[in-house]
Amino acid sequence: DTAVSQTPKYLVTQMGNDKSIKCEQNLGHDTMYWYKQDSKKFLKIMFSYNNKELIINETVPNRFSPKSPDKAHLNLHINSLELGDSAVYFCASSQEPPEYQETQYFGPGTRLLVL
Amino acid sequence: QQQVKQSPQSLIVQKGGISIINCAYENTAFDYFPWYQQFPGKGPALLIAIRPDVSEKKEGRFTISFNKSAKQFSLHIMDSQPGDSATYFCAASGVSSTLGRLYFGRGTQLTVWP
Repeated sequence: DTAVSQTPKYLVTQMGNDKSIKCEQNLGHDTMYWYKQDSKKFLKIMFSYNNKELIINETVPNRFSPKSPDKAHLNLHINSLELGDSAVYFCASSQEPPEYQETQYFGPGTRLLVL
Repeated sequence: QQQVKQSPQSLIVQKGGISIINCAYENTAFDYFPWYQQFPGKGPALLIAIRPDVSEKKEGRFTISFNKSAKQFSLHIMDSQPGDSATYFCAASGVSSTLGRLYFGRGTQLTVWP
């Protein structure tokens, strides 16, 4: 009965590799997000999709590409991984777009370590 | 540029004491101020939120105090318990295409000693 789920939970990989993180929500929400939490726990939004349409695209290297195959899924693909990409990546969802200021429900996070 | 400034970075409180975390913002267009709680190894979860039309909101042991003129808001945890030990994030957002996202403070790691 998990609301927002992410896979994998842990990801250890070498520099230069390409990896994907998957997110699914079963809340029936229309909006999904990707956040990055660095080693100092700072949370920063990366992307947001509403009804499969990209609505927020923060200043993120274009090595990061989100994809939303449907409203319940938002995946994050990262090309040519760098050491600085090591972080915890959180997926989140809300019923409406973020300017409606509704509760955002976060997934458990994917801990990415780039060696 | 940090839209929301949060302090302290870490806080140690005795069981039963009051925990106070402070946040400040500059952009007067912000009109929604939530607090999120994050336990180790978990994602953040909404704890309590306030809008600027009230100066205080209380839910159980958790209270947000809001000072619109000073552009500050704070979280008070009364009768702090070891189970409250977590990282707390304040955040702000506004109703616009540019501000319509959550801007988080840098977090406060709260430890409540038994």
